Amino acid sequence: DTGVSQDPRHKITKRGQNVTFRCDPISEHNRLYWYRQTLGQGPEFLTYFQNEAQLEKSRLLSDRFSAERPKGSFSTLEIQRTEQGDSAMYLCASGSGTGGADTQYFGPGTRLTVL
Amino acid sequence: GDSVTQMEGPVTLSEEAFLTINCTYTATGYPSLFWYVQYPGEGLQLLLKATKADDKGSNKGFEATYRKETTSFHLEKGSVQVSDSAVYFCALSSFSGGYNKLIFGAGTRLAVHP
Repeated sequence: DTGVSQDPRHKITKRGQNVTFRCDPISEHNRLYWYRQTLGQGPEFLTYFQNEAQLEKSRLLSDRFSAERPKGSFSTLEIQRTEQGDSAMYLCASGSGTGGADTQYFGPGTRLTVL
Repeated sequence: GDSVTQMEGPVTLSEEAFLTINCTYTATGYPSLFWYVQYPGEGLQLLLKATKADDKGSNKGFEATYRKETTSFHLEKGSVQVSDSAVYFCALSSFSGGYNKLIFGAGTRLAVHP
């Protein structure tokens, strides 16, 4: 069990640029979640995948955000035309389950700074 | 909607002191409850969990009991160490549509001094 990994760990970009983050879940986990954490706050839910299907998107996920999970393995989160308000830690979590609640295991996060 | 409220920090303690971090929740149904810990610059690590009323979660000397009557899940440790310094998050699982998303409190920073 190698845990959830995320890449890159840190990203600094200029306003208006596009960025893409990657998440590799624990290999046997079919559920994958993205959260966003701003300074001094708890994480907030962004989106959820069951295998390759994206089943829910939070209202926090504006049209500039898109997430994919091809083949139900790794996932990517892309932010287009970044804004300073997008600066945050982006956390990925994975879990397993076919029904009912699961336990989510988090990766180390990608810290995004938009200048 | 579902929500979690934690006591505000920072909590500053001397080594070997007793720790309590209060957490209360509002939820429909019967959520599972979690405590996660975050060390500086890192992601969240699951500390403990409880899935039904009166369950006690425990790990590394930390304990929390799921109290449905008071809608609480307070975190306790009998003797803290400097290495326990971190931010602690209480969370509930909000289950709907066949999956659960976590709803977190704002976090409580703990600083333990030698």
